[in-house]
Amino acid sequence: AQTVTQSQPEMSVQEAETVTLSCTYDTSENNYYLFWYKQPPSRQMILVIRQEAYKQQNATENRFSVNFQKAAKSFSLKISDSQLGDTAMYFCAFRSLQGAQKLVFGQGTRLTINP
Amino acid sequence: EAGVAQSPRYKIIEKRQSVAFWCNPISGHATLYWYQQILGQGPKLLIQFQNNGVVDDSQLPKDRFSAERLKGVDSTLKIQPAKLEDSAVYLCASSLDRGLASDTQYFGPGTRLTVL
Repeated sequence: AQTVTQSQPEMSVQEAETVTLSCTYDTSENNYYLFWYKQPPSRQMILVIRQEAYKQQNATENRFSVNFQKAAKSFSLKISDSQLGDTAMYFCAFRSLQGAQKLVFGQGTRLTINP
Repeated sequence: EAGVAQSPRYKIIEKRQSVAFWCNPISGHATLYWYQQILGQGPKLLIQFQNNGVVDDSQLPKDRFSAERLKGVDSTLKIQPAKLEDSAVYLCASSLDRGLASDTQYFGPGTRLTVL
């Protein structure tokens, strides 16, 4: 079974700084999807960014980018020019292309952006 | 476009009581998911429907949990009888399901259940 590990339970940075959230995963599959989801306080979870494993180029979405290291099974999220609205729980997730294609989440990292 | 709707938003019950949650997915979304999110953990999939059929319910405690999706639209998740360890946020999500694993899952606001 696939597992996703986020080793940083909490992080805190100042507004406008850059922050990197870590994620590692375990799988024997060669192709799959990886996601970062954001869950703001008392608000719905939303997708931040996705990466397909066979694509070598790292995904970017405005201020959000990933560093995907397939061999190391590492998938970190970088947030540039952080804003107060980035304060949230961030979840890394893995989705297999086999079977029911279940989405497996990590434990989450609570990110606080300070003014 | 309306998002995923869930009700109630909060529920407090005594252990051994029963409770039901309701979810209405985004219009046209074929796939519906129920997740359990225990405090301090990531969401865990309980059951996945595609239209009326169950795709995956391997992590659903079937002795006490049940779910249905009549007519392939809205869904209910029931717990009977509830245990203390069922205290969690129950999230519903839906996706368009074009057969792509890249499909975005859209989440509802969740129902926070407290079992006393």
